[in-house]
Amino acid sequence: DAGITQSPRHKVTETGTPVTLRCHQTENHRYMYWYRQDPGHGLRLIHYSYGVKDTDKGEVSDGYSVSRSKTEDFLLTLESATSSQTSVYFCAISGLAGVGTDTQYFGPGTRLTVL
Amino acid sequence: KQEVTQIPAALSVPEGENLVLNCSFTDSAIYNLQWFRQDPGKGLTSLLLIQSSQREQTSGRLNASLDKSSGRSTLYIAASQPGDSATYLCAVRPISNNNDMRFGAGTRLTVKP
Repeated sequence: DAGITQSPRHKVTETGTPVTLRCHQTENHRYMYWYRQDPGHGLRLIHYSYGVKDTDKGEVSDGYSVSRSKTEDFLLTLESATSSQTSVYFCAISGLAGVGTDTQYFGPGTRLTVL
Repeated sequence: KQEVTQIPAALSVPEGENLVLNCSFTDSAIYNLQWFRQDPGKGLTSLLLIQSSQREQTSGRLNASLDKSSGRSTLYIAASQPGDSATYLCAVRPISNNNDMRFGAGTRLTVKP
């Protein structure tokens, strides 16, 4: 157990509303990632962070923003949710000091439904 | 652009059978390849990681091989058990952007008692 939690675990919201998902880690991993998982697509990277206030875009970043003001927290924001953003969102971490970046550890996921 | 494909999408076998799951990728410029297990409604659990310089990795009843030149990896599960039922995903870490892992869609395995 890599000490990674996500909140909320489930959320139903309406089109056009802002939504923020939170990822929290307890083990001081340098890298944090947000993925979405959709049927037939596997996991796709939305954004990632390589340090406090250091973030970069992934494959499917349009419509999403992120922030990392502390090592342990990585927030994913949907500024104006759309139905195409209905998905399961996973946070992952890697890069524990002395271990390296290779292995990613995943959180339990957040199921988001946009009506 | 790196594409990762897993065939078949679903597989059902009787308990005790040895089985092979396949993963193929289009660009051989990778740092490593990783196999994950995902149970329904859960996150991913790392099973095996193979560095690009390695040919295989083993953990218990699991053996993963990597043929980078042909863009293929296999996950071999020996003496399958009902508890092995899950979705298995492979992912590659491209050299072009080693933070953007590319995942296959997974193979859903059912092991029948």
